[in-house]
Amino acid sequence: SQQGEEDPQALSIQEGENATMNCSYKTSINNLQWYRQNSGRGLVHLILIRSNEREKHSGRLRVTLDTSKKSSSLLITASRAADTASYFCATGSGYSTLTFGKGTMLLVSP
Amino acid sequence: GAVVSQHPSWVICKSGTSVKIECRSLDFQATTMFWYRQFPKQSLMLMATSNEGSKATYEQGVEKDKFLINHASLTLSTLTVTSAHPEDSSFYICSAVGQSTETQYFGPGTRLLVL
Repeated sequence: SQQGEEDPQALSIQEGENATMNCSYKTSINNLQWYRQNSGRGLVHLILIRSNEREKHSGRLRVTLDTSKKSSSLLITASRAADTASYFCATGSGYSTLTFGKGTMLLVSP
Repeated sequence: GAVVSQHPSWVICKSGTSVKIECRSLDFQATTMFWYRQFPKQSLMLMATSNEGSKATYEQGVEKDKFLINHASLTLSTLTVTSAHPEDSSFYICSAVGQSTETQYFGPGTRLLVL
């Protein structure tokens, strides 16, 4: 069964707005990673946050991790049309192995 | 850095034929490579994990004899879909992990359509 569950399943916003996606998981993890996938393409690694970290930033991305609630959030600030994609969280519990959630489809309209 | 390529990017074949997909790490040595399949609007499902020079570890429900994986070098892994059938039509994605890293770098995927 899949470990991560993203919420919402789909999100539609206007350019310039912030987009927040959440991910919940069930078991203990070593790290949690966020990936982006454009339609019909491979995955692009966005950010990795370890289980002993609470927050991490990368450009317009901000990721938080709450291991007590087994949840993470991805915030994209000042969104752009080019941010339109599916976003997946993936949990790492063993050596290199990742378990992916179902993803959030983000649509950013100009 | 950390570029992974896949070839071919798409393939259409007749039912019963075998299809080989290559996954290459272009600028790093991949100690481990992963193969996933993804159906439309669904998440990635791990099929198998392969380490260079050893047999692949398959996930439950994935047929070893149907999906042959070879990881002959630190930069190349191949997935062969043997006797492909229409239900094997899917998007196949590989990823690679280098030494001392937790990040998986993904290839662009191969879309397989079996007629």
